Amino acid sequence: QQPVQSPQAVILREGEDAVINCSSSKALYSVHWYRQKHGEAPVFLMILLKGGEQKGHDKISASFNEKKQQSSLYLTASQLSYSGTYFCGTVNAGNNRKLIWGLGTSLAVNP
Amino acid sequence: DAGITQSPRHKVTETGTPVTLRCHQTENHRYMYWYRQDPGHGLRLIHYSYGVKDTDKGEVSDGYSVSRSKTEDFLLTLESATSSQTSVYFCAIRDSLFNSPLHFGNGTRLTVT
Repeated sequence: QQPVQSPQAVILREGEDAVINCSSSKALYSVHWYRQKHGEAPVFLMILLKGGEQKGHDKISASFNEKKQQSSLYLTASQLSYSGTYFCGTVNAGNNRKLIWGLGTSLAVNP
Repeated sequence: DAGITQSPRHKVTETGTPVTLRCHQTENHRYMYWYRQDPGHGLRLIHYSYGVKDTDKGEVSDGYSVSRSKTEDFLLTLESATSSQTSVYFCAIRDSLFNSPLHFGNGTRLTVT
């Protein structure tokens, strides 16, 4: 039931791009993306609802493929501030009260 | 930033003692959640509340109880703390909208010796 995130970790140089994937075996209603910096609380990035929409926030965007029950987070022209752990949280169809979290993807952006 | 406060921020306690963590919100949000976060396990749901006196168990609820007597407060109690409950505990709140985001408190670092 827990979504699977890939890759587990990625190291980038500033300015490079990255893609983080989140896959579920369950029918999804929505996918949430959060970023957590070391020693801090997770911070909301965006929500994708079923319907295959794509959203963007600055140079971070995401898509949701309802047929594949998969969401991807795209980080373009990465900045040092993008470093942290990225979590996806999925809301299963039929129970929108709680999120099921992936184990996270650690992203390090180096100068 | 969402108005959500956790207390205490840090606590060290001995095995076998009861411990209560508090989550206070000023947003009047309906849903409140308690998570624990441990290396390699991500965020795991302990209990959540969908209204005053309405609570439900999460995936790791054994050894924990919760209470919500007011909209703004959600208490997490470790009835008899064990070393396996050493963790970082996060409270989160969410509006009643089905597509609304979670907002997290700053966390409580609990050490059980």
